[in-house]
Amino acid sequence: AQTVTQSQPEMSVQEAETVTLSCTYDTSESDYYLFWYKQPPSRQMILVIRQEAYKQQNATENRFSVNFQKAAKSFSLKISDSQLGDAAMYFCAYWAGGTSYGKLTFGQGTILTVHP
Amino acid sequence: KAGVTQTPRYLIKTRGQQVTLSCSPISGHRSVSWYQQTPGQGLQFLFEYFSETQRNKGNFPGRFSGRQFSNSRSEMNVSTLELGDSALYLCASTPHSQSSYEQYFGPGTRLTVT
Repeated sequence: AQTVTQSQPEMSVQEAETVTLSCTYDTSESDYYLFWYKQPPSRQMILVIRQEAYKQQNATENRFSVNFQKAAKSFSLKISDSQLGDAAMYFCAYWAGGTSYGKLTFGQGTILTVHP
Repeated sequence: KAGVTQTPRYLIKTRGQQVTLSCSPISGHRSVSWYQQTPGQGLQFLFEYFSETQRNKGNFPGRFSGRQFSNSRSEMNVSTLELGDSALYLCASTPHSQSSYEQYFGPGTRLTVT
């Protein structure tokens, strides 16, 4: 079974600084998809960034980028120029693709605090 | 476009009762997935529906069921509620038949079982 592990229950960062959130996963699949979702206090889950395992290039979305290490099964999220609005719970998620319809496997989450 | 909507937003039920939660996906989205979120177990996949058919199911007891209507709206039902069913229930919709590629989540229904 696929598992996703986020080893940092909490992280904090100063506004305008950079922070990296860690995620490791376990799978025997060769093709899969990885995601980072953000859940602010309002509880609405928001997709931050997506990475297809077959792509070697790391995904980037504005201030958000990932470091995808397929061999190490590692998928970290870097947030640059942190803003107060980035404060939220961040979840790493895995999708096996194919017939694994609708099923995202989530890590336990990392609470990110941004200090002004 | 309006986002994913879930009703009700908050619900209090008594042990042994049953409950039905509703999810309206984004217009044009045909896949709806449901998740249970608790502090202890985190986010867990319940089931997924596409074109009124359940295509995938998580490891939950048979007390948890769902359905999808022709307009893609979905409901989930929990019968014989237990205290451990207290959770935030999230639904997500996607425009793709590959239903995890880009999931859009609703605000959730907070269920409290007393």
